[in-house]
Amino acid sequence: QKEVEQNSGPLSVPEGAIASLNCTYSDRGSQSFFWYRQYSGKSPELIMFIYSNGDKEDGRFTAQLNKASQYVSLLIRDSQPSDSATYLCAVNTGRRALTFGSGTRLQVQP
Amino acid sequence: DVKVTQSSRYLVKRTGEKVFLECVQDMDHENMFWYRQDPGLGLRLIYFSYDVKMKEKGDIPEGYSVSREKKERFSLILESASTNQTSMYLCASSFPLTAGGSYEQYFGPGTRLTVT
Repeated sequence: QKEVEQNSGPLSVPEGAIASLNCTYSDRGSQSFFWYRQYSGKSPELIMFIYSNGDKEDGRFTAQLNKASQYVSLLIRDSQPSDSATYLCAVNTGRRALTFGSGTRLQVQP
Repeated sequence: DVKVTQSSRYLVKRTGEKVFLECVQDMDHENMFWYRQDPGLGLRLIYFSYDVKMKEKGDIPEGYSVSREKKERFSLILESASTNQTSMYLCASSFPLTAGGSYEQYFGPGTRLTVT
């Protein structure tokens, strides 16, 4: 079992809809969780991070964490074609480096 | 703003050459990382460093070495480049968590290396 799992997609949503991206992790001791966006040919850029159970909102983005279910998600409201990218989930599993999922490709259709 | 820079965006080298990839960060981060990214395989950690002259192997260190002589600079060395090292190489940096692990990582623009 991979330490951090994401559906590779592509996830296709119409413009203006809510995109829901999901990530599960295997290490119950994980303490912090990160979402990165990566455009094709570019490096990952941090969107947001979450440490506590519940929701964290930043503009059109909401991160949701459920430690009991070992599940973290990213919601993108009012999706725009410019949101089309690969979204990487990363988890602090206690070693010095983050552990990344393989990413979910999101396509927002105009 | 955190800034992580890498010495080259694109690099073409021949098999057997010694290759140096350099990374510099300006945020006084203790942790620095080197990853490679290949289609379908995601980000794979090659090496990381948590202090000057300190390094630890990541998940795929074979064929690579690193050097960190100054806090802001972390170099990745391919001792004898091979075609299977053709990849996108990404450098990142972060502050460390006191209890282990790291805070969010910030990435450089990447170096696309082709070995022919």
